[in-house]
Amino acid sequence: EAGVTQSPTHLIKTRGQQATLRCSPISGHTSVYWYQQALGLGLQFLLWYDEGEERNRGNFPPRFSGRQFPNYSSELNVNALELEDSALYLCASSFGGIYGYTFGSGTRLTVV
Amino acid sequence: DQQVKQNSPSLSVQEGRISILNCDYTNSMFDYFLWYKKYPAEGPTFLISISSIKDKNEDGRFTVFLNKSAKHLSLHIVPSQPGDSAVYFCAASASQIQGAQKLVFGQGTRLTINP
Repeated sequence: EAGVTQSPTHLIKTRGQQATLRCSPISGHTSVYWYQQALGLGLQFLLWYDEGEERNRGNFPPRFSGRQFPNYSSELNVNALELEDSALYLCASSFGGIYGYTFGSGTRLTVV
Repeated sequence: DQQVKQNSPSLSVQEGRISILNCDYTNSMFDYFLWYKKYPAEGPTFLISISSIKDKNEDGRFTVFLNKSAKHLSLHIVPSQPGDSAVYFCAASASQIQGAQKLVFGQGTRLTINP
């Protein structure tokens, strides 16, 4: 069974640009969660999508946005990139709620 | 507002000894707790969980203890092995509250097992 897949693995962007990160959940999972892990910090909750709807949002500015597609895959968009957006962005999927919560390997975003 | 705290950024333990990682939480609505292990350049992988109706859960070398009155949980690894060297994250959830089932993570503790 394929796990949670994220693309790209690495992404380098210039300050002010936009970044798009993608996540494919485990087959059968309907919920997708996005987390940010900045250097030396823990996992900060960003967004939660379930059945195509945004269910919850962490304490991040509106330039962090996303969506979930009918096949349950998800995109995270970060507009007007700032240097402090450089981090590992992790996606997790689950059956809905916290059961079966499984993480992908992440996308390393570097803003220069 | 850090609802889940791991106050030890790092821990070093001799191979074969017990490793004890600690975690505190502030939100009394949390009723489900998990530990994840993370290697560099990989996503966190699930280790063990515990529901608030229990005070102990064991899986092989890993045991999690929950003290609800102190809002404290701990992960015991016995015996510690070199492959256990990783960053360990504690996570919590208010699993019964609609819209709040996401996991809230602590800052992580880097465990190093010395031969």
